[in-house]
Amino acid sequence: EAGVVQSPRYKIIEKKQPVAFWCNPISGHNTLYWYRQNLGQGPELLIRYENEEAVDDSQLPKDRFSAERLKGVDSTLKIQPAELGDSAVYLCASSLEGSGTEAFFGQGTRLTVV
Amino acid sequence: SQQGEEDPQALSIQEGENATMNCSYKTSINNLQWYRQNSGRGLVHLILIRSNEREKHSGRLRVTLDTSKKSSSLLITASRAADTASYFCATLLDYKLSFGAGTTVTVRA
Repeated sequence: EAGVVQSPRYKIIEKKQPVAFWCNPISGHNTLYWYRQNLGQGPELLIRYENEEAVDDSQLPKDRFSAERLKGVDSTLKIQPAELGDSAVYLCASSLEGSGTEAFFGQGTRLTVV
Repeated sequence: SQQGEEDPQALSIQEGENATMNCSYKTSINNLQWYRQNSGRGLVHLILIRSNEREKHSGRLRVTLDTSKKSSSLLITASRAADTASYFCATLLDYKLSFGAGTTVTVRA
C-alpha cells in the first residue's frame, strides 16, 4: 500500500512568488494534516481536515496561505505571496478519522524562499 | 507554540547503551505518541500510549506516561547506529496532534 505522497520534494522560489504543494493521503484516511517544520524544531500544525472540511485552521496565516481538499482526498496548500520566513519543510500527514490512531507522514516539501 | 517539551534537547550515547528522553506537556490528552525523524526524511510513528495506560513496550522501546505530572518518557534499550535520529513526542487531544521540539539522539559506534 502506498504511503502519503507529497510533491514536489524541493522547491526554490523568489520572495513574493506563489507556490503550491500537493498531498495524496493514504486511501481511506479521513483526516489530513498540513504541518510546517522549521529547522531544529518540531512540526507545527497549519490545518486539519476531516474529509473535505477544514475543522482546525486556527494556525494558518490566512492572509497568504490557503488550502483545499478536493472531494475529501487530495489536498493542496498554497502560499501567495511567499516571504523569506516561509522557508521550511511542509509536511502532510493522514490518519483514520483522527480518532486516536497514528498519523502517517509524507516525505515533505522543502521550501526555500530567496 | 508547541504543546510538548522534550528533554534533553540532544543526547549522545555509545552503541549498546540505553537512551532515555522525556516529554512534558501542558493540557489534558487523549493519547501521547512518539515519532522518529531521520535526517531529511518524514516522521515515522514509533509507539502510542493512551491516557489510561501507564506503560507500554514495543521491541526495544519502552514508554511511560504519568498524566498527573503531564509527562512521558521514551527509553530505547541497546541502542544501534540506526537509532540516530530526532525523536518527537506528540499529544492528541480532540483530534489535534501537537508536537514537541524534539530530542536529537546520536549513537556513536
